[in-house]
Amino acid sequence: GENVEQHPSTLSVQEGDSAVIKCTYSDSASNYFPWYKQELGKRPQLIIDIRSNVGEKKDQRIAVTLNKTAKHFSLHITETQPEDSAVYFCAASIYGNKLVFGAGTILRVKS
Amino acid sequence: EAGVAQSPRYKIIEKRQSVAFWCNPISGHATLYWYQQILGQGPKLLIQFQNNGVVDDSQLPKDRFSAERLKGVDSTLKIQPAKLEDSAVYLCASSYDAGGGGRWDEQFFGPGTRLTVL
Repeated sequence: GENVEQHPSTLSVQEGDSAVIKCTYSDSASNYFPWYKQELGKRPQLIIDIRSNVGEKKDQRIAVTLNKTAKHFSLHITETQPEDSAVYFCAASIYGNKLVFGAGTILRVKS
Repeated sequence: EAGVAQSPRYKIIEKRQSVAFWCNPISGHATLYWYQQILGQGPKLLIQFQNNGVVDDSQLPKDRFSAERLKGVDSTLKIQPAKLEDSAVYLCASSYDAGGGGRWDEQFFGPGTRLTVL
């Protein structure tokens, strides 16, 4: 079955700096890769996703890149703000079925 | 639109007791998912329904966990008997199905039920 590895497990950045979180997946059939943000005690919220027919997607300060050959994808957050502090999860699936999550990255933005 | 609803929000039980969780998905969403999220980990899929049929339950501990989705709308997840290691947040999510159009693969999560087994 699918296996998703996520790095780093914790990331501390200064406000205004960029943050990058990386994930690798094992199943070459996976074609949908969402990223979720989860604040303490809250539900996971989708922040951006990418499908296997594109290599990059951007939404304001957030971007995701996908390398199908290497089977890895990354989340990029620019101009980080204190409210970006949360746990971020990557995930992989085939058409949204059997979504497999990474272990999560705790992002701390220091002001 | 209204989000995914779950109840109860919190539950504390003794080990070997039974417990049930309820989920009401977003109206029109054919696919419903139950996840277990242990503290410090990512959500793990327990079971996925398409309407009232099971798509995947390969990670559901069937000796103690059961789930149903009668009439293809609401769903219940039951644990009987509970073990200490079942302490976790149980998340319900829903999405359109492949024939639903729009963003059919985006999952919307409910607030979760935090279960503590003593």
